Amino acid sequence: GQQVMQIPQYQHVQEGEDFTTYCNSSTTLSNIQWYKQRPGGHPVFLIQLVKSGEVKKQKRLTFQFGEAKKNSSLHITATQTTDVGTYFCAGMGRDDKIIFGKGTRLHILP
Amino acid sequence: DAGVIQSPRHEVTEMGQEVTLRCKPISGHDYLFWYRQTMMRGLELLIYFNNNVPIDDSGMPEDRFSAKMPNASFSTLKIQPSEPRDSAVYFCASRRGTHQPQHFGDGTRLSIL
Repeated sequence: GQQVMQIPQYQHVQEGEDFTTYCNSSTTLSNIQWYKQRPGGHPVFLIQLVKSGEVKKQKRLTFQFGEAKKNSSLHITATQTTDVGTYFCAGMGRDDKIIFGKGTRLHILP
Repeated sequence: DAGVIQSPRHEVTEMGQEVTLRCKPISGHDYLFWYRQTMMRGLELLIYFNNNVPIDDSGMPEDRFSAKMPNASFSTLKIQPSEPRDSAVYFCASRRGTHQPQHFGDGTRLSIL
């Protein structure tokens, strides 16, 4: 069945450093979504990518969808303490359900 | 606009007891999802409904788990009998249409002693 792999599992960065998490699917995706979950909270939708090679930005966050629509990345420039949390990618295949990656837990060192 | 509402927020019970988790999706959303989150296994999709009809329950761990959606504004996830390994945070999420964001509830933190 469809699988979505996400790396790294954990990432510790100094405040101000950049951070990137990567997502790979075993099958071609119709779209990919990114979510953020703060400690003790619930996943919150960040963005959706649909087109091959699409790049979207939200302030310091840059999201990319691969040309083959099987991989994606989230890059945060100059991390801040408010960026702490777990970032999930979630891929949708041909059917209408979304499969979540296991997430990357970001910890910021002051 | 009210978000997805889950109850209870916390549940502590002894193994063998029946546990019922409740979810009210956002009005107008036609998809409802139940997830289980643990450190070891991450966020697992248990079952999802479209227009109150179960579409895919392949993630339901075993027969002890059951889910219903009697109408568009209410769903339950039941565990009977409960076991310690069922301890996790259970999330309900809803969305409107196919290629749309999912909106999660605050979750139910379940502890089975």
